[in-house]
Amino acid sequence: QSALTQPASVSGSPGQSITISCTGTSSDVGSYNLVSWYQQHPGKAPKLMIYEVSKRPSGVSNRFSGSKSGNTASLTISGLQAEDEADYYCCSYAGSSGVFGGGTKLTVL
Amino acid sequence: QVQLQESGPGLVKPSETLSLTCAVSGYSISSGYYWGWIRQPPGKGLEWIGSIYHSGSTYYNPSLKSRVTISVDTSKNQFSLKLSSVTAADTAVYYCARSDVTYVNFDYWGQGTLVTVSS
Repeated sequence: QSALTQPASVSGSPGQSITISCTGTSSDVGSYNLVSWYQQHPGKAPKLMIYEVSKRPSGVSNRFSGSKSGNTASLTISGLQAEDEADYYCCSYAGSSGVFGGGTKLTVL
Repeated sequence: QVQLQESGPGLVKPSETLSLTCAVSGYSISSGYYWGWIRQPPGKGLEWIGSIYHSGSTYYNPSLKSRVTISVDTSKNQFSLKLSSVTAADTAVYYCARSDVTYVNFDYWGQGTLVTVSS
């Protein structure tokens, strides 16, 4: 299985909204509503931000939202804050296994 | 509070077997959930390695399946990873984590341990 495709980098100014895409295939993203998103700060373990495409774990800000259309899932962060600067990874169920995206570096200008 | 802690050698020689253990506290592995391993080469992205249920059912990344074994020891509340025939490409930070039945919703993670493959 191949890694899901994410843009290498995105950027935005404080207060703005940004969207990170995650493109897979009909064998993973397209077939299951089982896409999760992780935030990773340097030197830290990833943190679950979104699961099952659009659900937020307890404690995660409602500025984070997820969606999916066809083979592409998306993570939107509204009201950008400096603390949102991090790497973001999508992950999809792929039928008895999982697959991550290549990661996207978010820079808050 | 659920906590996971990886342990094992930080240096492994090429062609040998990498062995790591993840000790779980604050939750009994026998109570449910899936327990997985994820790795991250230096400066690169995350890679899903595999997951195990307390019953012993395992699920592996197809690209690593021939070299990976994940096992669970419920009496010690820990699970383990073995990766055989390692090369420099297996150098990475290895994380253990807990997920639900989907294998992709990892809600608790260990801090990660760096394993370097070098002679």
